[in-house]
Amino acid sequence: AQSVAQPEDQVNVAEGNPLTVKCTYSVSGNPYLFWYVQYPNRGLQFLLKYITGDNLVKGSYGFEAEFNKSQTSFHLKKPSALVSDSALYFCAVRDMEDSSYKLIFGSGTRLLVRP
Amino acid sequence: SQTIHQWPATLVQPVGSPLSLECTVEGTSNPNLYWYRQAAGRGLQLLFYSVGIGQISSEVPQNLSASRPQDRQFILSSKKLLLSDSGFYLCAWNGLTTGELFFGEGSRLTVL
Repeated sequence: AQSVAQPEDQVNVAEGNPLTVKCTYSVSGNPYLFWYVQYPNRGLQFLLKYITGDNLVKGSYGFEAEFNKSQTSFHLKKPSALVSDSALYFCAVRDMEDSSYKLIFGSGTRLLVRP
Repeated sequence: SQTIHQWPATLVQPVGSPLSLECTVEGTSNPNLYWYRQAAGRGLQLLFYSVGIGQISSEVPQNLSASRPQDRQFILSSKKLLLSDSGFYLCAWNGLTTGELFFGEGSRLTVL
């Protein structure tokens, strides 16, 4: 069965510092991996995805993520955090062999960037 | 471009009343459609998905049902709401060629 783990409920960083939000996954086949961001009382916004190719994926708002197959991880990173990055972040996985194309989401990590 | 609409945005309903949440997608045809529920502002649980008109798959047993009467319309329903049905309901469609889901703005349901 597919699963995604986000081990941190909350990540606190100072503005201007680098940030990392962790994600590990488990799928039976090859994974499609995604990161989304959610602001209060809003839907989820797509940030970036890994399908195949370069292990370092660049996305919206200066975010990037590194796919590591041996560690089954897909951590979200940003070199310099902004206060406006404070939000709820979700990692998600899709099993390429699953014809429903559904995404399984992690429990979410709240990012708090302090001024 | 493609857009997705959900309504109502906010709903307060008494226990035992019926429910209907609607989702429509524009600018694409034959999308896969999904209903997720988010409880307490955290994790998302997949409730239903549909790969075509009249085709509904349920992921978890519950008090809710879904229907897809038209290609780009997805409806979430209940005959009698429970307190535990409260939550933030998100509709999404899938860009099959690219893999990611695109979400609506959500419908917040409070059952009293």
